[in-house]
Amino acid sequence: DQQVKQNSPSLSVQEGRISILNCDYTNSMFDYFLWYKKYPAEGPTFLISISSIKDKNEDGRFTVFLNKSAKHLSLHIVPSQPGDSAVYFCAASRGTASKLTFGTGTRLQVTL
Amino acid sequence: NAGVMQNPRHLVRRRGQEARLRCSPMKGHSHVYWYRQLPEEGLKFMVYLQKENIIDESGMPKERFSAEFPKEGPSILRIQQVVRGDSAAYFCASSPLTSGRNTGELFFGEGSRLTVL
Repeated sequence: DQQVKQNSPSLSVQEGRISILNCDYTNSMFDYFLWYKKYPAEGPTFLISISSIKDKNEDGRFTVFLNKSAKHLSLHIVPSQPGDSAVYFCAASRGTASKLTFGTGTRLQVTL
Repeated sequence: NAGVMQNPRHLVRRRGQEARLRCSPMKGHSHVYWYRQLPEEGLKFMVYLQKENIIDESGMPKERFSAEFPKEGPSILRIQQVVRGDSAAYFCASSPLTSGRNTGELFFGEGSRLTVL
């Protein structure tokens, strides 16, 4: 039962353009959402998060949007840079536990 | 390096042997989590521990897998009688003790890659 889904396994974007990564969830009890970035042979690193009481959170080039009614969130990266090339995981949690449920990831390739 | 430390980074075992993976959390962190990533899949939660306590082991296979986080020393994920299907990357993460709402952010180690021949 995949409670967090990232339906696009890969995405290619030109440098300087916007990257939009999407994530859907099925469990309405989730109240905190996070994006992690992962390079090969490394552990995931935290990127940005959003609470269910908000619909947008921005940090520099990264913005996360949450649509609770659609159970959908997205990560926008603008402008995209070659160093952004990595696998991006969406994750969700509920309650006060930090047990995160991860999506399967989207591999972003930013081309010159 | 004050990050989450995992060792070994790579481990090769033959079927039937035991694998022990170790994790030292970030300084000041008292919560440890283990996740497993199978090839081409996302990270799957296995177990959540605090010092000397297993808080949530709902993601642990019922047999052959165990985890501990003793009062002193690293957290250990132990896999007995390994099978080929255990081949995966095992990631440890830690978070600080918080008195209120936990923000959910975890700090991950670089992972231990287990290969079962």
